[in-house]
Amino acid sequence: DGGITQSPKYLFRKEGQNVTLSCEQNLNHDAMYWYRQDPGQGLRLIYYSQIVNDFQKGDIAEGYSVSREKKESFPLTVTSAQKNPTAFYLCASKRLAGSYEQYFGPGTRLTVT
Amino acid sequence: KNEVEQSPQNLTAQEGEFITINCSYSVGISALHWLQQHPGGGIVSLFMLSSGKKKHGRLIATINIQEKHSSLHITASHPRDSAVYICAVIHAGGTSYGKLTFGQGTILTVHP
Repeated sequence: DGGITQSPKYLFRKEGQNVTLSCEQNLNHDAMYWYRQDPGQGLRLIYYSQIVNDFQKGDIAEGYSVSREKKESFPLTVTSAQKNPTAFYLCASKRLAGSYEQYFGPGTRLTVT
Repeated sequence: KNEVEQSPQNLTAQEGEFITINCSYSVGISALHWLQQHPGGGIVSLFMLSSGKKKHGRLIATINIQEKHSSLHITASHPRDSAVYICAVIHAGGTSYGKLTFGQGTILTVHP
């Protein structure tokens, strides 16, 4: 089955630690995205990548970093510089040409204490 | 003001009722997504539309490009429809071309 996997589903970290969230897709999509969801707010774009070894900042990139070494993988690191890291993180992907539709992963809920 | 506004924010219904969720936006768009998010958090796409109306089972989505408004209707609602429904627009041009902007979501609870 094709799809997007994110692991783990729940992640707990102490303040001051960096943490990396995994996102893998086997849909052969070129573009991948990371969103953050907070209660009562719409999803906000953190970073996106349209091609391997290239990525762009979204609306709320501060305190986050990404890499895109393989087409299938787009890990997100939440650094200690992110002031409010506790949130629900969603990864998405889409084909670059021929479709606007993004496909979403199951999400990772990160809690930092 | 947000570029995408949904109403209502919370909606409670009895099983069998007809439900409408509204989405208004203020930017030029290529298309509009209706998404469903269940309590576990994963998001699935219900519809993507750029004009007119689409129907899938008990769900109907409409869009009026001139009025910058879309509605999601659920006929004969069921408790399993309880979820968060999210409207997202795909920007049409400029530096935001292809970008998704999301509404804040509508929390729907359907009681048996």
